[in-house]
Order: sequence, then C-alpha cells, then structure tokens
Amino acid sequence: KNEVEQSPQNLTAQEGEFITINCSYSVGISALHWLQQHPGGGIVSLFMLSSGKKKHGRLIATINIQEKHSSLHITASHPRDSAVYICAAPGARDNNNDMRFGAGTRLTVKP
Amino acid sequence: NAGVMQNPRHLVRRRGQEARLRCSPMKGHSHVYWYRQLPEEGLKFMVYLQKENIIDESGMPKERFSAEFPKEGPSILRIQQVVRGDSAAYFCASSPRLLDTQYFGPGTRLTVL
Repeated sequence: KNEVEQSPQNLTAQEGEFITINCSYSVGISALHWLQQHPGGGIVSLFMLSSGKKKHGRLIATINIQEKHSSLHITASHPRDSAVYICAAPGARDNNNDMRFGAGTRLTVKP
Repeated sequence: NAGVMQNPRHLVRRRGQEARLRCSPMKGHSHVYWYRQLPEEGLKFMVYLQKENIIDESGMPKERFSAEFPKEGPSILRIQQVVRGDSAAYFCASSPRLLDTQYFGPGTRLTVL
C-alpha cells in the first residue's frame, strides 16, 4: 500500500467548476506539501501546511492531521489550471525529508 | 532572486557514459533535495544534502549514483555507467531550512540511448 494516496487519478471539469482533490497518508507527518506539475514537466510548490487551511488566490488547501487527510480545492476552475497535482508527505524518518509522493491527479479543465 | 537552476535541461548519453546533473539552489538556501521521475511514474526522493554533507541518501541506488553539495558551487548528481533505465526527469529542490517549503528547479531530462 502506498503511503500517500490521492484521488481521483484523473479529473475532467468544465471551466468554472469547483474542484476537489483528496490526499490520504499513512505516515506520521508534521507537514504536507501540494505540488503542481505543468504539462511541460515543471513543478511548482503550491502549499506546505501542517494544520488548518491555507488559501492562495483560487486555491485552498486543508489538512486534518488526526484523520491523516488533506484536500486541495480550486474555485472557479480555468483551463490554465490543467496540470498534475501531487501531494507529498515527509516519510517517517528522523530528518523528515525523504518525501513520499502521491501518484498525482491529472486535472483537465475544458473551456 | 533567481529560482532554482538546473542544467543541462536535456542530456543525452549512450550506455556506459557518465551523466552529471547540476543544481544551483535559490540564494540563501542551504538544503538541496534530488528527486527522480521515471517515465509514466511519480516522483521519488533520492537524496537530501546540506552544504558539504549528505544527510539522507536512502532513496539513491547503491551503485553508480552519487551526489555532492560542495561549499562553493552547485550540487551535482552523478550517474556513472548509465543504463537505459536511468532515463528519467531529475528534479532538484531547495529550501532555506529543514521542513520548509521546497522550491523546485525545472528538471533535467536524461535520455540514455
């Protein structure tokens, strides 16, 4: 069983729709990362969060440490949001830097 | 403040040759991480370094792969005697502190012929 699991694997939405991507993890963590990988391959770090909620523009990330679950929401989705979204959690080692990645959610937003 | 720089962006090697991938972290960042993304697969952690020290190399293959982050200059990921299975995108990321946001470079796409 993968330590970090994302759902759905693929997601197609119409422009303007509200998007939710889920991430569950089995390792004990102090923080969780959400990354965006563009169609060209480049990776951008969207959020690192350890509790509660963070918001940046149309993106909102929430985390529930007790339930080991995080969600990434995109409001008023746009075709330029089309990308692979990856959640990542530091592994269960002392230095907490061997990140474990989810398989990614491929989002396609159609105009 | 320039972002994380990686070069080359694309590297083609024949089997048996050496590949050297370079990563210059963001200014002020002393923590560097290397990740590999095999074709059609997710990202996998390889190694975590601070200046002049390898902190965690648990994700690095035991043979042919090595990494360094010298006092001066970029971090280097070195792959000796490359094989076709080494073809992948190699990303590095940097952060200013442990357990801080990691900023990713554009990646180096290695193709082994």
